[in-house]
Amino acid sequence: ETGVTQTPRHLVMGMTNKKSLKCEQHLGHNAMYWYKQSAKKPLELMFVYSLEERVENNSVPSRFSPECPNSSHLFLHLHTLQPEDSALYLCASSQGDRGSYNEQFFGPGTRLTVL
Amino acid sequence: GQNIDQPTEMTATEGAIVQINCTYQTSGFNGLFWYQQHAGEAPTFLSYNVLDGLEEKGRFSSFLSRSKGYSYLLLKELQMKDSASYLCAVVDSNYQLIWGAGTKLIIKP
Repeated sequence: ETGVTQTPRHLVMGMTNKKSLKCEQHLGHNAMYWYKQSAKKPLELMFVYSLEERVENNSVPSRFSPECPNSSHLFLHLHTLQPEDSALYLCASSQGDRGSYNEQFFGPGTRLTVL
Repeated sequence: GQNIDQPTEMTATEGAIVQINCTYQTSGFNGLFWYQQHAGEAPTFLSYNVLDGLEEKGRFSSFLSRSKGYSYLLLKELQMKDSASYLCAVVDSNYQLIWGAGTKLIIKP
């Protein structure tokens, strides 16, 4: 099984739809991340979960709602999105608590288009 | 503010050598990562530098100068499969990763 998987790989949704992105890691890591990647821009960290508790929320709009039911699964619930939210959404995981730093392993991403 | 600068795009020839630079201004420093990202795929780890100097790993090498806030990724004997984006990221004093926008490397035959 690949280290970090994401579904769906592609998603097209209208501004009034509700959808969810799913991420699963098979590496035994204890931290998981959601990133937004837009063309020619740096990766934007959206949410961090460490030991299933959210430790960072970088002022992300409330139309994005994360959920981490256990250390292997991470969801991003989407509702009433805007066209500017169209981007590649990457999930990553790493081993290590706050105060240490370890390499992050990324999933292949979900390409989201908001019409 | 915190800032990572790297060239937007570079072009090189198959078999040649290319150096991708990264300069950073961050609140503290706890290491620098290089990642490779092929179009439509996940970023994958290439290297991590926390001390000054050159780290060599096969055809790829990464250099760090903390006093200059500077790093480079050196790719030798370029192959077509090296066409990708290369992302520089710095760990700041709060152990947050600060990302550059990436350098798109185009390899020509």
